[in-house]
Amino acid sequence: EADIYQTPRYLVIGTGKKITLECSQTMGHDKMYWYQQDPGMELHLIHYSYGVNSTEKGDLSSESTVSRIRTEHFPLTLESARPSHTSQYLCASSVRYEQYFGPGTRLTVT
Amino acid sequence: GEDVEQSLFLSVREGDSSVINCTYTDSSSTYLYWYKQEPGAGLQLLTYIFSNMDMKQDQRLTVLLNKKDKHLSLRIADTQTGDSAIYFCAEIPSTGGGNKLTFGTGTQLKVEL
Repeated sequence: EADIYQTPRYLVIGTGKKITLECSQTMGHDKMYWYQQDPGMELHLIHYSYGVNSTEKGDLSSESTVSRIRTEHFPLTLESARPSHTSQYLCASSVRYEQYFGPGTRLTVT
Repeated sequence: GEDVEQSLFLSVREGDSSVINCTYTDSSSTYLYWYKQEPGAGLQLLTYIFSNMDMKQDQRLTVLLNKKDKHLSLRIADTQTGDSAIYFCAEIPSTGGGNKLTFGTGTQLKVEL
């Protein structure tokens, strides 16, 4: 099982601020993912990466951006936070057909 | 497009069996999964089944797969209060690359004493 870390766990921030949500995994998994989970519980894929220097947009359009400079690190950035970005953000990584999740970051934009 | 469908809520008494059902979308999906999410936490991979299997058992968990009906179920034997959580089924559609999962809407399981 993978160890996946997300920081911060909770963040309350004002409109217009730039924020970066951190995600790291220690198992050397090539594939990593960001999901957004809305209050109705459903998860939507917003970004994924097959490996270093590889990033793709997911099924749900998002104003966030991601980077993958190192295998273990997959940060998500919002250049200008808005109240519509209030949600839970879950990071995951996978090996073969097993996908493992971090604890999530709950973001509130006021 | 079609959605992976689950009933939203299930309530059982402690000690009874729970059965959570899921209808998925892609008859060519290779792997199907069950995840558990407790309040304020991420998703925990419980179990998964390869599409050439009909059943998989792991301790108190039994997964049944009906490919003809695109139906997946998770049975939890001797349900405990610690099993109270939201359960998500998920599939890897044949059209997706990179092992991207499509999740169901989640079933909230409440275990009553």
